Amino acid sequence: GNSVTQMEGPVTLSEEAFLTINCTYTATGYPSLFWYVQYPGEGLQLLLKATKADDKGSNKGFEATYRKETTSFHLEKGSVQVSDSAVYFCALSDSQGAQKLVFGQGTRLTINP
Amino acid sequence: SQTIHQWPATLVQPVGSPLSLECTVEGTSNPNLYWYRQAAGRGLQLLFYSVGIGQISSEVPQNLSASRPQDRQFILSSKKLLLSDSGFYLCAWSAPGLIGYTFGSGTRLTVV
Repeated sequence: GNSVTQMEGPVTLSEEAFLTINCTYTATGYPSLFWYVQYPGEGLQLLLKATKADDKGSNKGFEATYRKETTSFHLEKGSVQVSDSAVYFCALSDSQGAQKLVFGQGTRLTINP
Repeated sequence: SQTIHQWPATLVQPVGSPLSLECTVEGTSNPNLYWYRQAAGRGLQLLFYSVGIGQISSEVPQNLSASRPQDRQFILSSKKLLLSDSGFYLCAWSAPGLIGYTFGSGTRLTVV
């Protein structure tokens, strides 16, 4: 079945540091890939997505590229801010039928001033 | 525009009591609807999904059930809560044929 493996956290960085959160997946067919963010006490918000190989999703300074050859969708940001502190989830969706999302376990990110 | 409402935001219930969490979607028709649970310190697990009124698919055997009495209403229920039912429950919807979900704000359930 489909699965997502995420870099384990927690991750703690200083403000303005470079961020990478690794994500790899296993899937049949051609899934869509997502990064969701969960701020403390809130639900999940879509951060970015990519629907086919070599697509780059980007939003709020975050980027991730759909790499079919390495089955990866790593999240990057060049200069993090304290407000980026949250839990980040990588996920994939089979675009057929009910579009069930399969999530990674989440990575807690803390940015110190 | 489409919106998703989920309530209550927090709930503390004794073991053995019933549960009913409600989710409604506005501004769309025939959405796919989902219930996820996030246990403490863990990822999200799909519990139920529905592609139409009265149609429910269960992903994992458990103490919970779901119903879809109306097109844009999705209810998560239990007759008798267990301690292990504690967690953060998230409702979500997607449009058939389109990529992406929108999540509700979640319900934090604590079973004591």
